[in-house]
Amino acid sequence: NAGVTQTPKFQVLKTGQSMTLQCAQDMNHNSMYWYRQDPGMGLRLIYYSASEGTTDKGEVPNGYNVSRLNKREFSLRLESAAPSQTSVYFCASTRDRTISPLHFGNGTRLTVT
Amino acid sequence: ELKVEQNPLFLSMQEGKNYTIYCNYSTTSDRLYWYRQDPGKSLESLFVLLSNGAVKQEGRLMASLDTKARLSTLHITAAVHDLSATYFCAVDETGANSKLTFGKGITLSVRP
Repeated sequence: NAGVTQTPKFQVLKTGQSMTLQCAQDMNHNSMYWYRQDPGMGLRLIYYSASEGTTDKGEVPNGYNVSRLNKREFSLRLESAAPSQTSVYFCASTRDRTISPLHFGNGTRLTVT
Repeated sequence: ELKVEQNPLFLSMQEGKNYTIYCNYSTTSDRLYWYRQDPGKSLESLFVLLSNGAVKQEGRLMASLDTKARLSTLHITAAVHDLSATYFCAVDETGANSKLTFGKGITLSVRP
């Protein structure tokens, strides 16, 4: 029972490089989310997808793009990485966004030098 | 803009004693979630509180929600070392299409 799977687990980028963080869930959940976690800041929502085919901005979307490829997969792309994007990124999903908690992946630790 | 505040941000607890931590939020909501995070790990769901007066208990932890006061409490009974972790509350603003907002987290450390 995999749950929410994120790849890669770790990544080091140079400023200006691009990359895509992958997320897949096998729980048939409708809603998927990308958060970033920084020390002392809690989790901040980057983008979310309430259902397949829709995406919306969260609190901190600048510098990121997302794709809801299908019901299972929700990717996060950094087009031109900046040191301020050094963070731990968590993908999450939920069956019913009105009553169910989020299920989180194990996170991707990204460092931009 | 919804603000979620947790206090204290760090709490050193003595084994066997009782403690309460708090989560305040700034706007109307009737859905609040508690999560636990161990160092270097992901977040796991502890409690889902969906109405005013909701109370949930799991082991030594009990969470409650007062939507009128915009306050949730997490009560710890007879703290043990295994409860050392960071605890986040998250609030789903009514009508805001699930932009779940997290507090900054409270780090609990249980000492002998």
